[in-house]
Amino acid sequence: RKEVEQDPGPFNVPEGATVAFNCTYSNSASQSFFWYRQDCRKEPKLLMSVYSSGNEDGRFTAQLNRASQYISLLIRDSKLSDSATYLCVVHRAGTALIFGKGTTLSVSS
Amino acid sequence: NAGVTQTPKFQVLKTGQSMTLQCAQDMNHNSMYWYRQDPGMGLRLIYYSASEGTTDKGEVPNGYNVSRLNKREFSLRLESAAPSQTSVYFCASTGAEGSNQPQHFGDGTRLSIL
Repeated sequence: RKEVEQDPGPFNVPEGATVAFNCTYSNSASQSFFWYRQDCRKEPKLLMSVYSSGNEDGRFTAQLNRASQYISLLIRDSKLSDSATYLCVVHRAGTALIFGKGTTLSVSS
Repeated sequence: NAGVTQTPKFQVLKTGQSMTLQCAQDMNHNSMYWYRQDPGMGLRLIYYSASEGTTDKGEVPNGYNVSRLNKREFSLRLESAAPSQTSVYFCASTGAEGSNQPQHFGDGTRLSIL
């Protein structure tokens, strides 16, 4: 089992839709969590960190459930420019960041 | 502020040729990383350097060597390139190994081996 699992998608949604991505991680010692965005095999870029209390950045909301070892990303009012691959990333002490394979989102007009 | 700079951006090699991919960061980061990304495989860690003078193997180190030349630079060498090493290679850096700081990525090297 991979340490970080994501539904690869693709998720195809119309503009304005709300879409949610899920991610599970297998190592309970994981300490830090992130969502990265990657466009067309360009370099990954940090979208947002994920905090235990949940956090929001504009249209994006991230949630963490440590008991279930589950991370989510909610995108409201989807834009065409949100089309990308979203990478779930976890970190635990003594390791490099561990990346999921990513979930592909396609937003259409 | 350049961030993480990788050279070259594109390269085509013949099987058996050698090549060094260069990476430099200007953010005074301690830790640097090399990943490869293949379709459907996600990012896989090749080697990383927690600090100047140290290097460690990642998930897929076979066929590669690395050098942490100084705090700024971390190079990846293919001694005898194989078609299976055709991939996009990303270098990344972060403030401190074991920290919860996110990584900053270079814009990648697209490598094709014929």
